Amino acid sequence: AQSVTQPDIHITVSEGASLELRCNYSYGATPYLFWYVQSPGQGLQLLLKYFSGDTLVQGIKGFEAEFKRSQSSFNLRKPSVHWSDAAEYFCAVAAGSSGNTPLVFGKGTRLSVIA
Amino acid sequence: GAVVSQHPSWVICKSGTSVKIECRSLDFQATTMFWYRQFPKQSLMLMATSNEGSKATYEQGVEKDKFLINHASLTLSTLTVTSAHPEDSSFYICSGLHQETQYFGPGTRLLVL
Repeated sequence: AQSVTQPDIHITVSEGASLELRCNYSYGATPYLFWYVQSPGQGLQLLLKYFSGDTLVQGIKGFEAEFKRSQSSFNLRKPSVHWSDAAEYFCAVAAGSSGNTPLVFGKGTRLSVIA
Repeated sequence: GAVVSQHPSWVICKSGTSVKIECRSLDFQATTMFWYRQFPKQSLMLMATSNEGSKATYEQGVEKDKFLINHASLTLSTLTVTSAHPEDSSFYICSGLHQETQYFGPGTRLLVL
């Protein structure tokens, strides 16, 4: 079965610093990968997704992620973090061979931003 | 685009009563919607897949007679928690599927007293 691992439960970065959130997945074929962000008490907002093609994908709010098949990773990055980026970040992989299947989520990484 | 709404956002009910949660796709048609459950400081767990015009598919361990799902139109799916108990208290989130991507609603927090 597919699985997603987010090794970091909680990360604290200074405002203006760069950010990288790690995500590793387990899936035999080409995965459909997603990053979502969740503010406290809110639903999930899609940051970006990877289906195929260019392995570096750009998302909203200045985020990007790179798909590395050899490492089974899909890490999320941002060059300069803003205080408003503090939230919970979830990496997810589609459970089947297309994006039309349920998502399997990682346990999330909570991002704190300090001045 | 691809906005999903949920209603209500908050609900408090007494043990033994039923609660209905609505999930609407506002600017797209969602043949498929998903219902997830999230406990505090945990990830999302899929409860069921809701397909318009057909019976929902429930994940193992989710009681279909307790969590009734109806997807009667291309823009509306409902989840009814029947005979709710305190252990059903949770954050329920739905998503609508659009172009192979799930767009999530804002969630419904249920507290059963």
